[in-house]
Amino acid sequence: QQQVKQSPQSLIVQKGGISIINCAYENTAFDYFPWYQQFPGKGPALLIAIRPDVSEKKEGRFTISFNKSAKQFSLHIMDSQPGDSATYFCAAKQGGSEKLVFGKGMKLTVNP
Amino acid sequence: GAGVSQSPRYKVAKRGQDVALRCDPISGHVSLFWYQQALGQGPEFLTYFQNEAQLDKSGLPSDRFFAERPEGSVSTLKIQRTQQEDSAVYLCASSRDRGEQYFGPGTRLTVT
Repeated sequence: QQQVKQSPQSLIVQKGGISIINCAYENTAFDYFPWYQQFPGKGPALLIAIRPDVSEKKEGRFTISFNKSAKQFSLHIMDSQPGDSATYFCAAKQGGSEKLVFGKGMKLTVNP
Repeated sequence: GAGVSQSPRYKVAKRGQDVALRCDPISGHVSLFWYQQALGQGPEFLTYFQNEAQLDKSGLPSDRFFAERPEGSVSTLKIQRTQQEDSAVYLCASSRDRGEQYFGPGTRLTVT
């Protein structure tokens, strides 16, 4: 079964808008939650990551919000730009394991 | 510095052929991972090495898949008797011990 569920599957926003991508998980042993950005023909690139001891982390235009009780976390992209158009994956890692479990991805299109 | 490199970038194999995919991790990274990414999906874990030791191979889909990292640096993923369902992008990632994973560009395998 899907251990990390991502929504929506696709999103279109206008330049300057806010893009929000949501992820939900079931496994309470997960203790590391990264977001990756992937352009066509390229490998995933790490954007930002969070651990469950904090509720929010911000790096530039990217913010992760984490809700431990709801087992949900989200990525907010502020002032979205056409260059942000890519596929975004949330992922999770369990303590004691090194393997990442990925969501199915969300294709973001930012219109100029 | 140089990132993770993979070769070949593209591989076409006839069903039943054996293939070998190479990964050169970031210098000094002790951990190396292989993931499989089907079209339109998130990466799925295949196997993980710490130095030359293969610590987790729980994601390898069948005994036709074999990975090695004999000197703790370069790794090779070998697929024997390829099948059409093996068509995917094979991603390699490396990290410092228990650190963030950095992905290579992937090898796109097409089995005809």
